[in-house]
Amino acid sequence: GAVVSQHPSRVICKSGTSVKIECRSLDFQATTMFWYRQFPKQSLMLMATSNEGSKATYEQGVEKDKFLINHASLTLSTLTVTSAHPEDSSFYICSATWEQETQYFGPGTRLLVL
Amino acid sequence: TQLLEQSPQFLSIQEGENLTVYCNSSSVFSSLQWYRQEPGEGPVLLVTVVTGGEVKKLKRLTFQFGDARKDSSLHITAAQPGDTGLYLCAGAQGAQKLVFGQGTRLTINP
Repeated sequence: GAVVSQHPSRVICKSGTSVKIECRSLDFQATTMFWYRQFPKQSLMLMATSNEGSKATYEQGVEKDKFLINHASLTLSTLTVTSAHPEDSSFYICSATWEQETQYFGPGTRLLVL
Repeated sequence: TQLLEQSPQFLSIQEGENLTVYCNSSSVFSSLQWYRQEPGEGPVLLVTVVTGGEVKKLKRLTFQFGDARKDSSLHITAAQPGDTGLYLCAGAQGAQKLVFGQGTRLTINP
């Protein structure tokens, strides 16, 4: 299957700082990338849908000014958690897809905000 | 919002036993995927079912899509400790978006 990478795999930051997470499709061009959040012992919750070259579409309840998404190329999307707080600590997972085909998931980024 | 109810949420059985995980919804999905997720990793796709009534087999795993495309099941035969993990069903709605079930945390005891 296709390969999607995420960087960093884990990050610890102080409250109030911003953190950027990268999602890359390594062997295909992704027309759409998705960002999910997963709290401990819970399922994946979709945060936003990102199409290359256009603004991301956020799910209800997700603050677009807090979770900035940039999809500048067909192989890279970034999620920036701005002014992070301890409640933002979670496992963030991206997925990538080409022309409405299967979503391929990245390995996830564990964020811990102190 | 379309919801997927997955059951059971936790299951612990002995090696060699059979088990079934269910995924139910009141909504129709264009397709349904089953994933397996290991701790600290992203979900890995096991199978996609598209046609109502479809049955797919992956070694000891059997996946079925309901006739009305509202529900699905995953049956594991002769479970092994290596089957331990979090199993997630996800229904496709509209343009690519996936709705995930709550997950089933499966533990197979040697």
